[in-house]
Amino acid sequence: EAGVTQFPSHSVIEKGQTVTLRCDPISGHDNLYWYRRVMGKEIKFLLHFVKESKQDESGMPNNRFLAERTGGTYSTLKVQPAELEDSGVYFCASSRGLGNTIYFGEGSWLTVV
Amino acid sequence: RKEVEQDPGPFNVPEGATVAFNCTYSNSASQSFFWYRQDCRKEPKLLMSVYSSGNEDGRFTAQLNRASQYISLLIRDSKLSDSATYLCVVNSGGYQKVTFGIGTKLQVIP
Repeated sequence: EAGVTQFPSHSVIEKGQTVTLRCDPISGHDNLYWYRRVMGKEIKFLLHFVKESKQDESGMPNNRFLAERTGGTYSTLKVQPAELEDSGVYFCASSRGLGNTIYFGEGSWLTVV
Repeated sequence: RKEVEQDPGPFNVPEGATVAFNCTYSNSASQSFFWYRQDCRKEPKLLMSVYSSGNEDGRFTAQLNRASQYISLLIRDSKLSDSATYLCVVNSGGYQKVTFGIGTKLQVIP
């Protein structure tokens, strides 16, 4: 069974540019999460989809971040315009349902210069 | 106060040693608890869930103390391959919005 896959694995962009991160959850997993870890800080929750619906987006830092999950399959996280403090690793995770193990992707490492 | 607190370490221990990590959580309504392991520049991977009765998996033992609101991870007979960051993860209920601790870095030395 394929795991959670994320693309791109690494991205270096200039301040003010746009970046779109993609996540393909494990097949059959209705729950999809985005997390972020900035340097020296803990991994922080961004948002949670159940199928195509945003269940909880309380962790989204500001309106420069937009997440979508059209059709309830893969998800994208767009940062527009990117700022220096957005640099970090963005993890996507998925789970089959409530109480099930959450599996993480390898992360998308974003550097804004 | 942070929702989940861990000592970031690093903990430097010799091979064969026993090492224990604690993690405290602030939300008394928290329902599920986990230890994840994260290797350098890799994704977090579930090490073990933590049950009220405690649980053991080989050299690893996890305990939950609800009264004092902490969980612990004990690693016996440390191996070089145990070197990693150990993340305490707490689910405060609802729709699996889990909260991570900052992680405790373990370095096992030959």
